[in-house]
Amino acid sequence: DGGITQSPKYLFRKEGQNVTLSCEQNLNHDAMYWYRQDPGQGLRLIYYSQIVNDFQKGDIAEGYSVSREKKESFPLTVTSAQKNPTAFYLCASSIGTEDYYGYTFGSGTRLTVV
Amino acid sequence: GIQVEQSPPDLILQEGANSTLRCNFSDSVNNLQWFHQNPWGQLINLFYIPSGTKQNGRLSATTVATERYSLLYISSSQTTDSGVYFCALRTSGTYKYIFGTGTRLKVLA
Repeated sequence: DGGITQSPKYLFRKEGQNVTLSCEQNLNHDAMYWYRQDPGQGLRLIYYSQIVNDFQKGDIAEGYSVSREKKESFPLTVTSAQKNPTAFYLCASSIGTEDYYGYTFGSGTRLTVV
Repeated sequence: GIQVEQSPPDLILQEGANSTLRCNFSDSVNNLQWFHQNPWGQLINLFYIPSGTKQNGRLSATTVATERYSLLYISSSQTTDSGVYFCALRTSGTYKYIFGTGTRLKVLA
């Protein structure tokens, strides 16, 4: 079955450490997205990518970095510059970025700073 | 930017009851989706509904784009319906969904 796989499900980060969250899709979707969700809140866009080797900042990109070397993969790195990284991170994909395409989400990664 | 408001913020139901969740938005939209986030965090797409009415089993949704609202109906609720329901929308020419803050539903056995 096609879908989006995020790993790991739970991740613990020490102060000053960079960590990378994985997102892989086998839906042959062109567009991929990273969202952050804080407790009791909606989702906020971190980065998105329309095609391979291209990505754009979303609303809260500071302290995060991404790459898109393959169509299937869109990893997110949470750097030490992100001062409050504890949150639930969701990856999504869509066929394209045009208005009429809906999203498919992965199952998320819970990141905790220890 | 566009504003999205969902109501009610919290809802507790007895199993078997019906409910209506509302999503109001401040601008015209080209795309609107309803999602259910289960207690484990997974977001499941319920409806892609920029306008009109759709039904899927016990769930149905209606979007009246001209009046800038969408409704999600849950009939004969079950405990597995518990979770958070989000509406998310996109306006013309934008690349991202704007999410509401959600309705937290708890269905009691």
